[in-house]
Amino acid sequence: EVHLLESGGKLVQPGGSLRLSCAASGFSFSNYAMAWVRQAPGKGLAWVSAISGSGKNAYYADSVKGRFTVSRDNSKDTVTLQMTSLRAEDTAIYYCAKVRRRGTTGATGALDYWGQGTLVTVSS
Amino acid sequence: QSVLTQPPSVSGAPGQRVTISCTGNNSIIGTDSDVHWYQQLPGTAPKLLIYSNIHRPSGVPDRFSGSKSGTSASLAIAGLQADDEAEYYCQSHDSGLTYSVFGGGTKLTVL
Repeated sequence: EVHLLESGGKLVQPGGSLRLSCAASGFSFSNYAMAWVRQAPGKGLAWVSAISGSGKNAYYADSVKGRFTVSRDNSKDTVTLQMTSLRAEDTAIYYCAKVRRRGTTGATGALDYWGQGTLVTVSS
Repeated sequence: QSVLTQPPSVSGAPGQRVTISCTGNNSIIGTDSDVHWYQQLPGTAPKLLIYSNIHRPSGVPDRFSGSKSGTSASLAIAGLQADDEAEYYCQSHDSGLTYSVFGGGTKLTVL
């Protein structure tokens, strides 16, 4: 059974940094791209970033480009989102999700499994 | 980055059929872009309903169907049930395969 567990969300001040992690299990991790999607309180879904199975290719939404970095450790079946220069508008639940099709780059694929999310609050 | 446009809300009575549209442009939902659909119940993570325009993951009832034409896509839900009441989102990507975008979401109310 596929399982995704996010961690690392917390209250952080504007301008601060935070590192989110997602531990995956139940599938051949290195064969699948992974993505991060966020949802601000009471708002819709927003795609944030994705990374290919090998970790060689990473993709970002314009709103986070230059501030967020996605990476993965295929030896530990984890994907990480490093967030810097955080702003109030980054406040959201951050979901980790698995891309459905093996070999997809990550920026285009359907997301067939999702974690329960971790809350990031940016406020002074 | 462009936005996918969905109606904010739709409604229907139990047993009826409703459709939810998702409109992009030549940069998003172009000829070669797939559209995916998700259902999100309150307080839960999204669930994949339709992938690559028309395909249902195993376990999704055939009451749910997807279609795509040009720069628009639609999700149809037949035989509405009370537990279909949820938020529905479309997702597609740019022609350069470098980013994805979600629609603004559509709240389905079962009357």
